Amino acid sequence: QVQLQESGPGLVKPSETLSLTCSVSGGSLSSHYWSWIRQPPGKGLEWIGYIYYSGSTNYNPSLKSRVTISIDTSKNQFSLKLRSVTAADTALYYCAISLNPADPFEYWGQGTLVTVSS
Amino acid sequence: QSVLTQPPSVSGAPGQRVTISCTGSSSNIGAGFDVHWYQRVSGTAPKLLIYGNSNRPSGIPDRFSGSKSGTSASLAITGLQAEDEADYYCQSYDSSLSAHVVFGGGTKLTVL
Repeated sequence: QVQLQESGPGLVKPSETLSLTCSVSGGSLSSHYWSWIRQPPGKGLEWIGYIYYSGSTNYNPSLKSRVTISIDTSKNQFSLKLRSVTAADTALYYCAISLNPADPFEYWGQGTLVTVSS
Repeated sequence: QSVLTQPPSVSGAPGQRVTISCTGSSSNIGAGFDVHWYQRVSGTAPKLLIYGNSNRPSGIPDRFSGSKSGTSASLAITGLQAEDEADYYCQSYDSSLSAHVVFGGGTKLTVL
């Protein structure tokens, strides 16, 4: 059974970079698409972007200018960097995996709350 | 503003049937992309409820069903139970601009 676990700072200052890592256990990173998804308080889910094990990426157009997703297959981890954060980036951040870009997310991490505040 | 539109809330009494709609456009649901549904109970990660418009993963009771027509999709829950009280989200894929995953804004189901 694949398990995902997000980790990273729970508090980030405005204008700084939010950095999160997703550690994967019980499965390999190959042949799946690895996504980051967030949910701001009181709002719906928002897909941030994905990375394929080969390193190819695709990002939400609304966040593309500030997002970088990378992968470290040797550690079975993938990471999110979101630059120039504001209070609007405060959210519960999830990592999740799908077999193909348009497929459902079969496995999710438990989520980690990131607050942007000075 | 979510790309897929869902009603903010629905409610029903135990044993009743409720439906949740998910309305998209010609660049996502109407373009033939599948719709998937998730249930999110407060404090937990979303759980896949329906995939590929109408398929249930193993372990999901047949009280939950999905359908798709044109630019919309629906989730139906029959024999409503107290444990069904949760937020429900639809997901699809959008081919406008750069192709990307899209979600609905979520629907809060209250069991009266």
